[in-house]
Amino acid sequence: GQQLNQSPQSMFIQEGEDVSMNCTSSSIFNTWLWYKQDPGEGPVLLIALYKAGELTSNGRLTAQFGITRKDSFLNISASIPSDVGIYFCAGPNTGGFKTIFGAGTRLFVKA
Amino acid sequence: DAGVIQSPRHEVTEMGQEVTLRCKPISGHNSLFWYRQTMMRGLELLIYFNNNVPIDDSGMPEDRFSAKMPNASFSTLKIQPSEPRDSAVYFCASSYDGRADTGELFFGEGSRLTVL
Repeated sequence: GQQLNQSPQSMFIQEGEDVSMNCTSSSIFNTWLWYKQDPGEGPVLLIALYKAGELTSNGRLTAQFGITRKDSFLNISASIPSDVGIYFCAGPNTGGFKTIFGAGTRLFVKA
Repeated sequence: DAGVIQSPRHEVTEMGQEVTLRCKPISGHNSLFWYRQTMMRGLELLIYFNNNVPIDDSGMPEDRFSAKMPNASFSTLKIQPSEPRDSAVYFCASSYDGRADTGELFFGEGSRLTVL
């Protein structure tokens, strides 16, 4: 079945640093999504990407939909302590309605 | 606006007991999803409903698991009998046509289940 591979698995950074994480797949996705899960909460959608090559920003977050439709990256600029959490890439399976999630990148920010 | 509401937030039970998790989706959403999250397997889709009808339950691990959606504002996930390996966080998520098919889901806060 379709799978999403995220890297890195975890990141330990200093407040103020920029962060980059990515997601790849062996199959094509028509939509790429990035979710964040705060400790003890459910995932929340951060950014949705609908077109190959699309670059979208949401505040300090920037995400891109890869040209091949098999990858995406998420950048966070000037990290702050509240950026701590798990970041998931996700996408709908072929035929839609079943959202597949990557294993997540755990971000730790030291003040 | 109220988000997806799940109950209970935490449940501790003994092996063999019946567990019922509840979910109220966002008003107006017509798709509802149950996910399970564990360290080993991450977020797994168990079942999803569209317009109260179960569409895909291929992720339900065993016959011990069952889910119902009697109306547009309520769903349950039941485990009977429960086993220690069922310990996980169970999330309910909802969405609507035009968003559900692009993977855009609205999650509840989850129900953390511990089976001793």
